[in-house]
Amino acid sequence: DQQVKQNSPSLSVQEGRISILNCDYTNSMFDYFLWYKKYPAEGPTFLISISSIKDKNEDGRFTVFLNKSAKHLSLHIVPSQPGDSAVYFCAAAGAGSYQLTFGKGTKLSVIP
Amino acid sequence: DADVTQTPRNRITKTGKRIMLECSQTKGHDRMYWYRQDPGLGLRLIYYSFDVKDINKGEISDGYSVSRQAQAKFSLSLESAIPNQTALYFCATRSGFETSDTQYFGPGTRLTVL
Repeated sequence: DQQVKQNSPSLSVQEGRISILNCDYTNSMFDYFLWYKKYPAEGPTFLISISSIKDKNEDGRFTVFLNKSAKHLSLHIVPSQPGDSAVYFCAAAGAGSYQLTFGKGTKLSVIP
Repeated sequence: DADVTQTPRNRITKTGKRIMLECSQTKGHDRMYWYRQDPGLGLRLIYYSFDVKDINKGEISDGYSVSRQAQAKFSLSLESAIPNQTALYFCATRSGFETSDTQYFGPGTRLTVL
């Protein structure tokens, strides 16, 4: 059973507009959430994270929102740029956990 | 130079062959991981190691083995490759125990088993 779900395989957004990528989780033991970005022919790179004690974390154009009651998090990119075109993975971990559970990824295309 | 390197970057092999994928890191991290990525399935953990003497199975370890030759090197072996092991393989490292510690990924090895 998939514990971290990214239900949108792909998303297209116009340059300058907001990109919203969504992620749902089922395991209530998860308390730390991360977003990774992956370009073709490269490994995933860490983008932004949030602890369950917060509901928002911001880093420049990137903001992650966490709704624990709904077991839902989202990544907002504002404004979107063509260089943001990549696959975005949502990942989750429990307290003190040694491993991450990844979603299937969402491919974002930012159209100039 | 990259902090986490993987060799080879691409490999085509035949069913039944033994193959080794290698990972090296210069980050000085104790923790190393092997993942595979299949189209539409995200990343799944194969094995992980907390130090040279500590190796653990992940979610999908069947058909794989690993060796931690040194703190900086972690190899993944397919003893007898089969077509459904065709995938993109990633090595990753992590600095510490904290959940917030970031994992750093290598560039990946694309493996095709014919």
